[in-house]
Amino acid sequence: DAGVIQSPRHEVTEMGQEVTLRCKPISGHDYLFWYRQTMMRGLELLIYFNNNVPIDDSGMPEDRFSAKMPNASFSTLKIQPSEPRDSAVYFCASSSQVDSYEQYFGPGTRLTVT
Amino acid sequence: DAKTTQPNSMESNEEEPVHLPCNHSTISGTDYIHWYRQLPSQGPEYVIHGLTSNVNNRMASLAIAEDRKSSTLILHRATLRDAAVYYCILREYPASKLTFGTGTRLQVTL
Repeated sequence: DAGVIQSPRHEVTEMGQEVTLRCKPISGHDYLFWYRQTMMRGLELLIYFNNNVPIDDSGMPEDRFSAKMPNASFSTLKIQPSEPRDSAVYFCASSSQVDSYEQYFGPGTRLTVT
Repeated sequence: DAKTTQPNSMESNEEEPVHLPCNHSTISGTDYIHWYRQLPSQGPEYVIHGLTSNVNNRMASLAIAEDRKSSTLILHRATLRDAAVYYCILREYPASKLTFGTGTRLQVTL
């Protein structure tokens, strides 16, 4: 398996623009997580899905952020409109109950909002 | 979420054992202890986890205190590649989510 795949790896955009981050989880995993990492706040869980259904979105900072999982092999995290304070590395991870919930992380998307 | 406390940083010499401590005095009976590490410019990776008994795998060993209020991650022979931030996390059963703290930054020197 190729592991968790994220795209793009780097994104530079201007304030006010819409940003869409993409994630393909490991095949067969039924949990998908979105995290954000900054120097100031560390690694924060934004939202997670189980069987494509959002379970906990309490970490989503505000209404500008939205996440979807239309099927078991694809998820998106959208920021609209983007702001400079959204600059961070965004990680996607997936896991399976069968695998003791061990989370496998993708390489991350480094987002810079100018 | 139950909280963990780790030293901010530790240093080790290469090829020596490293003991990374973690305190979790408010752990509940169903909390699992997970360890992850994050190498520079990479996403976190799973290291090991346990509930009550000590655990060993190819990467490390996990020693859990009898009262479960603390645990220690043991790297038997540190290499330069083990330089990373190590996170000790409590996972509340049956939930699947993890709450990362600030971790311990391990430096390994020749």
